[in-house]
Amino acid sequence: GDSVTQTEGLVTLTEGLPVMLNCTYQTIYSNPFLFWYVQHLNESPRLLLKSFTDNKRTEHQGFHATLHKSSSSFHLQKSSAQLSDSALYYCALSLSGSFNKLTFGAGTRLAVCP
Amino acid sequence: EAAVTQSPRNKVAVTGGKVTLSCNQTNNHNNMYWYRQDTGHGLRLIHYSYGAGSTEKGDIPDGYKASRPSQENFSLILELATPSQTSVYFCASGDGTGPETLYFGSGTRLTVL
Repeated sequence: GDSVTQTEGLVTLTEGLPVMLNCTYQTIYSNPFLFWYVQHLNESPRLLLKSFTDNKRTEHQGFHATLHKSSSSFHLQKSSAQLSDSALYYCALSLSGSFNKLTFGAGTRLAVCP
Repeated sequence: EAAVTQSPRNKVAVTGGKVTLSCNQTNNHNNMYWYRQDTGHGLRLIHYSYGAGSTEKGDIPDGYKASRPSQENFSLILELATPSQTSVYFCASGDGTGPETLYFGSGTRLTVL
């Protein structure tokens, strides 16, 4: 079946350093939709960014990601981490023609330290 | 701003008891979802609905039922609660525009003793 893999359970960074959270996916469908959701402590998940266009960079709130179908990846990046970026980040997959059902990865907790 | 509210915020139940988790949305979205959140598993889809009167099984429906009596309300029902159902449950509504954005409620923390 379809799946999303986030290899890091916890990423700890010093403020100001670049962020990269890994996301790879598996699906037999050729037109997947990829999402990043962010969940701050004691809050609910909310959409950070989404993409369905191959090799096109998507940006929002200082974060960016590029869907690479050749490597089935959708890594989340930011040039300089802030303390407020500390949160749980989920990568999620939806399939063309089945927009409504998201398959989430296990999540990566990002901890940014002063 | 999208509004999805869940009740109760916290619930303690006994094994074998019946539990109902409620969700109300004021977004007028057709699509609604129930997910559970567990460390190491992320968010997993239990049931979803395309509109009033419809319910569909998600990826882990066993032990759960769902009810969508109206556009606004979507309930998750545990007829015979078990300790393995201890989790945080999130309801979400979807705007139906592909690729769809989900708007999550604040969650219900359920503990089954």
